[in-house]
Amino acid sequence: EAQVTQNPRYLITVTGKKLTVTCSQNMNHEYMSWYRQDPGLGLRQIYYSMNVEVTDKGDVPEGYKVSRKEKRNFPLILESPSPNQTSLYFCASSLLAGINEQFFGPGTRLTVL
Amino acid sequence: QKEVEQDPGPLSVPEGAIVSLNCTYSNSAFQYFMWYRQYSRKGPELLMYTYSSGNKEDGRFTAQVDKSSKYISLFIRDSQPSDSATYLCAMNAPDNFNKFYFGSGTKLNVKP
Repeated sequence: EAQVTQNPRYLITVTGKKLTVTCSQNMNHEYMSWYRQDPGLGLRQIYYSMNVEVTDKGDVPEGYKVSRKEKRNFPLILESPSPNQTSLYFCASSLLAGINEQFFGPGTRLTVL
Repeated sequence: QKEVEQDPGPLSVPEGAIVSLNCTYSNSAFQYFMWYRQYSRKGPELLMYTYSSGNKEDGRFTAQVDKSSKYISLFIRDSQPSDSATYLCAMNAPDNFNKFYFGSGTKLNVKP
């Protein structure tokens, strides 16, 4: 089944404790992206990747890191999480960017205490 | 000012009603416009996309773009309870297809 998977689905952590949210797609997509979704603010793009080893900042990259060492994986790293990073995170992938359909993962709900 | 503005609702309509969902935007460079549907506790899924101005129809759904007013709409005819979801508009511009700008979403409830 073609899909985007994220792990973990739920995470409660404390300020400053490094964490990684994994994202994997099995559709051989070139483009992958991370978003955060907050009430009243909608989806905001954190980072995106056009291909392996090619990444760039979205609108809200502060406090996040990403890497794209393999085509299928695009982990999101929070090196020192803070409470303002409490949010619902979505990973998405598409064949290419532009108007190609983005396929979203199921989301990761992160709480930073 | 946010790049994309969308009324959060919630919008509650009876089954069979015509629903109109709207977004306004500020960047005149936007040319590709998308509508995503998001069910509760799920990721968004693409419903429709349109390029530049005009209408596009797909079954009960019609997407409309008015670039002169920087205004896009999604119409749902004969709305069904299964249409109850949050609808998000999204857009991007030719100078950077990799960046997407989403509205905050409108929550729709279709009552049986």
